[in-house]
Amino acid sequence: DTGVSQDPRHKITKRGQNVTFRCDPISEHNRLYWYRQTLGQGPEFLTYFQNEAQLEKSRLLSDRFSAERPKGSFSTLEIQRTEQGDSAMYLCAISPGQGTDTQYFGPGTRLTVL
Amino acid sequence: SQKIEQNSEALNIQEGKTATLTCNYTNYSPAYLQWYRQDPGRGPVFLLLIRENEKEKRKERLKVTFDTTLKQSLFHITASQPADSATYLCAPHSGNTPLVFGKGTRLSVIA
Repeated sequence: DTGVSQDPRHKITKRGQNVTFRCDPISEHNRLYWYRQTLGQGPEFLTYFQNEAQLEKSRLLSDRFSAERPKGSFSTLEIQRTEQGDSAMYLCAISPGQGTDTQYFGPGTRLTVL
Repeated sequence: SQKIEQNSEALNIQEGKTATLTCNYTNYSPAYLQWYRQDPGRGPVFLLLIRENEKEKRKERLKVTFDTTLKQSLFHITASQPADSATYLCAPHSGNTPLVFGKGTRLSVIA
């Protein structure tokens, strides 16, 4: 148990629909990251939060993606008007945010866009 | 741009042998290098971190080396077991940017 839960674990949606994923760290950690992973690739950075503040966004994060961390604890990632290319595993990770930035990942949400 | 190469997509070895996985990087000056294990359908799990001033780090049957001149890290699993079968990801890290992962090497240990 890494101390991070993600919900849902699987999501199937039709193209054009909106989806929202949630990440819940069990314990408090300063930093929370979102990654996307497709088959045969390593996780690709999307965005991260330092407490409530969203500090960096990848160029992968198009305008259809938005993330929030309203109280510095849980976080949500929303994808609007989903496309087939959005099909991937979406991973959340937490980190103390100091020094080495070792990360502890949740189990991920697998999104399939039909 | 930063580039990470892990030696091969897949590595098959016999149980009991030592598995050696390679991580090469270019256009980087990482202060640390992290290794993670990922099982199918699960998130990566942190294994080991090695700093630029450390040549070698060990944890149980795992050993990691870090050669900043060659821009390479080697990850060894000694006395490998079928339970070690997984994908192993490396992530060189400068310390002030988000982690960038390699594609990973899928290790299969055959009994």
